[in-house]
Parts: sequence; C-alpha cells; structure tokens
Amino acid sequence: DTEVTQTPKHLVMGMTNKKSLKCEQHMGHRAMYWYKQKAKKPPELMFVYSYEKLSINESVPSRFSPECPNSSLLNLHLHALQPEDSALYLCASSQATSGRETQYFGPGTRLLVL
Amino acid sequence: LAKTTQPISMDSYEGQEVNITCSHNNIATNDYITWYQQFPSQGPRFIIQGYKTKVTNEVASLFIPADRKSSTLSLPRVSLSDTAVYYCLVGSGGYQKVTFGTGTKLQVIP
Repeated sequence: DTEVTQTPKHLVMGMTNKKSLKCEQHMGHRAMYWYKQKAKKPPELMFVYSYEKLSINESVPSRFSPECPNSSLLNLHLHALQPEDSALYLCASSQATSGRETQYFGPGTRLLVL
Repeated sequence: LAKTTQPISMDSYEGQEVNITCSHNNIATNDYITWYQQFPSQGPRFIIQGYKTKVTNEVASLFIPADRKSSTLSLPRVSLSDTAVYYCLVGSGGYQKVTFGTGTKLQVIP
C-alpha cells in the first residue's frame, strides 16, 4: 500500500471556525509533511514531522497547528483563518529524513476560507 | 538549498520525446536531483531521482552531466495523459527540506 489519504477532500470554513485536516499513511514511514499550494504555484513546505516530533516549522502562522498523534497520522488544526489561506493542502510521507527518500503525496484538501 | 530554474511551459505532439532541462548551479556535493509530476488538483508524484550520469526507469530517463549544474528529464513518446506540471527538486540530508521550483507545464497536443 503506497497510498497517503487525506480527509476531507474539500472544506469551506468561515474565519471564526475551527476545523482539522487529517492525513494517514500505512507504509511505515517515519517522516510526514504538510505543504500549502496556491493556484498555479508550486507546493510550499509548512511543517515536517520526524519520528512523531516536529522538526521543521517554516515560519507558519500560529492559526495553523500541526499534530502527529502517532506514526501513521498527521493532523492540521485550523483556527481563525484568513481568506488568503484558501489553497490546496497537501500531506506527504517518506521513509525517513536522510534527504534521498521519495515523498509520497496525498490528493490534498481543497480549502476555501470565506 | 540549491535553487532550480526550469522553463515555464513546453508544448509537444503526441508520440514525441520530450526533454525538460533544469538548472541548479549551486548544487551541493551531497544533493540529489528528483523530479515529480503533478496533475491538476492532485498531489505530486515521484518520477525519477539521480545523483550523476544517467538513470532510467519504466517511465523516464534522467541525464546529469559531470558538473551536475543541470539535469534533463526525458519522457519517451509522450501521450495526452502526460500533460502535467513537472518539478525539478534538488536537496539532501537532514530533514528532507525540499523546495519545489516553479515547475514546467507540459502540454501534449494530439
């Protein structure tokens, strides 16, 4: 199974809402990632978890809060988002973090903030 | 992190071989070169990775000259389903902190 799943596929939320994005992989990967992708732009790295510990936070605003409950799951908690946060949010995983491993991406969650 | 430069877009007819070149002048000694493919509203998909010379798999070839300051992704006999954005990434070590370049939008024409 080389699949990364993400839920929900689409999400519409108001600026005062709290919501969560979920990501799951069962490949035994120990590194998991969140990316943000705006239309016609490349994915931008937000967070990296390595062995369930946050290892990289790319200066992401605190209204985005990642969580890694176990080695298979990755959440992104959203609170008080702005309309400019509307984007495709991609989750990825890799075996480890030596720098050579292939990242496997999920299909993404399309987020619209009203 | 080594910055990459790719053509913004390319057009090709079906059945032709397509070569997409990526420049990475500041590549470090232990950096690897990886290419991903992305269809609209989907996550990127790994195509191929290499360090030097030539790498070939069932979908593509990757040519890397001796100075490693550039690389070329070669897609043999493209079909309409190869229409996508192709990203060249250069990175290594630590926590897999990869940076996607601007990507090349390949349009395959019937």
